[in-house]
Amino acid sequence: DVKVTQSSRYLVKRTGEKVFLECVQDMDHENMFWYRQDPGLGLRLIYFSYDVKMKEKGDIPEGYSVSREKKERFSLILESASTNQTSMYLCASTLASAGYGYTFGSGTRLTVV
Amino acid sequence: EDQVTQSPEALRLQEGESSSLNCSYTVSGLRGLFWYRQDPGKGPEFLFTLYSAGEEKEKERLKATLTKKESFLHITAPKPEDSATYLCAVQAVGDSRLTFGEGTQLTVNP
Repeated sequence: DVKVTQSSRYLVKRTGEKVFLECVQDMDHENMFWYRQDPGLGLRLIYFSYDVKMKEKGDIPEGYSVSREKKERFSLILESASTNQTSMYLCASTLASAGYGYTFGSGTRLTVV
Repeated sequence: EDQVTQSPEALRLQEGESSSLNCSYTVSGLRGLFWYRQDPGKGPEFLFTLYSAGEEKEKERLKATLTKKESFLHITAPKPEDSATYLCAVQAVGDSRLTFGEGTQLTVNP
């Protein structure tokens, strides 16, 4: 069964900490995405990547960065965590070909205190 | 800018009471419309892709339909295990990104 695996289900971090969220897919997908999901706001795209070492800003990239050194791994980095970054973070991947849906990971619930 | 609006925000049904969820969209050129199911605390799970107006897809008690402006997710004789949030998303031609609606939270009471 194909999978997108996020390294942590729950994380609690302190304000100002540097936070790494890891995502690994085993489907040889070219495209990978990071979303955050908040009540009343839905899923919002943070960053995405079409290929190794490539990255594109999504709708809300401020306060985040990403790294894609290998095709299967896409990391989201919170440079200096703040309380307004408390959220559910979802990683997804898909083939580059037309019309394929995303496969999502189980999500990481991040709380910044 | 692509937009997706889902209605209602929440729907409460009795077991066996059929209904429909609506997804209205605007997109520059539709590459695909997607339906997902999301259980609390989990990532969305893919249900259907629809590519062109008039297309229909079915899976168990769920049937998705598509017109040029909206999609419906019909739920026939729902069961409590169908309780979840249902998300709709569109993908534009030439783009791999999805634009999501805010979802419809469905509760099916026994």
